[in-house]
Amino acid sequence: GAVVSQHPSWVICKSGTSVKIECRSLDFQATTMFWYRQFPKQSLMLMATSNEGSKATYEQGVEKDKFLINHASLTLSTLTVTSAHPEDSSFYICSARLGGSYSNQPQHFGDGTRLSIL
Amino acid sequence: SQKIEQNSEALNIQEGKTATLTCNYTNYSPAYLQWYRQDPGRGPVFLLLIRENEKEKRKERLKVTFDTTLKQSLFHITASQPADSATYLCALDGMDSSYKLIFGSGTRLLVRP
Repeated sequence: GAVVSQHPSWVICKSGTSVKIECRSLDFQATTMFWYRQFPKQSLMLMATSNEGSKATYEQGVEKDKFLINHASLTLSTLTVTSAHPEDSSFYICSARLGGSYSNQPQHFGDGTRLSIL
Repeated sequence: SQKIEQNSEALNIQEGKTATLTCNYTNYSPAYLQWYRQDPGRGPVFLLLIRENEKEKRKERLKVTFDTTLKQSLFHITASQPADSATYLCALDGMDSSYKLIFGSGTRLLVRP
């Protein structure tokens, strides 16, 4: 149980393109999803917390107009990297958590999206 | 500021031995701590959660301890196998009440056959 599917698994595109990444909880409802970014051999850096039906909460230093998050249903959150540039190239990972906003349940992760901007 | 430290050097052990990984934190009083496993190019997989009022937690060959005085958690894998080779991440709940997780940088474990 608690499977999270992330799509696509990898994307290569030209600079200036907008890229949408989907994160789905397949067998449970997730009121809260998280988006992370990970550079090689580094830790997961939280970008934003996505709450169903409300605006995402972004971490300090993350541009909300650059990384658009939509959590329109209890099983789907999307991250759109707008006008992507080479410095946006990274490994993006989503996670979903059972329970409400203040739950201390474990997070269940997707398999990540490798984004390469040429 | 909050800081989580995991040994950045890889831990290289012989199959069958016990692997012990360390997670230290400062400027924190986490309510709970979690351990995850991450394989290359994959998302992390949840392993164990331990709360601040628990000293030890076990799951099959895994054992986690949580010492809030030392501000340290130890993660043990007994009878290690080559398939246990991966990067192991510890994570603590954030300082605010949202229960978002703050991750350490992970320790890579290599188990030699």
